[in-house]
Amino acid sequence: DIQMTQSPSSLSASVGDRVTITCRASQNIDSYLNWYQQKPGEAPKLLIHTASSLRVGVPPRFSGSRSGTEFTLTISSLQPEDFATYFCQQTKSFPLTFGQGTRLEIK
Amino acid sequence: QVQLQESGPGLLKPSETLSLTCSVSGDSISGYYWSWVRQPPGCQMEWIGYVYYTGSTNYNPSLNSRVTMSIDTSKNHFSLRLNSLTAADTAIYYCARYIRSGQYYMDVWGKGTTVTVSS
Repeated sequence: DIQMTQSPSSLSASVGDRVTITCRASQNIDSYLNWYQQKPGEAPKLLIHTASSLRVGVPPRFSGSRSGTEFTLTISSLQPEDFATYFCQQTKSFPLTFGQGTRLEIK
Repeated sequence: QVQLQESGPGLLKPSETLSLTCSVSGDSISGYYWSWVRQPPGCQMEWIGYVYYTGSTNYNPSLNSRVTMSIDTSKNHFSLRLNSLTAADTAIYYCARYIRSGQYYMDVWGKGTTVTVSS
């Protein structure tokens, strides 16, 4: 199975901050990497697919990038509604696997 | 817009069988892949498998021998059965639509249903 190592596991930041979350794949997954946002009691929401493609309707302050097997989710200027848990997912091969999640909290 | 809703029992005993249904509204279930994902307490998400609208399936090998997924296009829902439950199957179970058309991602998810396995 492909292991997805996500960091940090938690992060405290303030409104307006720029934050970066990273996922590293244990082997090549090309750009088959997705990012999701999850808030307590809500359905997970797709933010970015295929490493850097912003889902329609997602604010442009969210962006994704890839460097080899390392993937980054960046929020350029945190908004109050962005405090949530974020997780990555690889869809290169079965079984599909996920990162451990990053809990983004208000400082 | 498409919405998914999981339903099923919240509390089961060890060795019992879990049966969950995901009802799809706002779009036809036909033409798509549908997936189940679970998240045990304090752990990362685990992909359980998918069912295509034709009925073909693909399961996570870690659960392969205990999982069955099915789909009913007339009712616009799909289902998960997991047998021989243990406490390790305690988790929030999510259903999701799985897009597989050149790009691969889960674009719509249900809110999840909590399943507890305890004697």
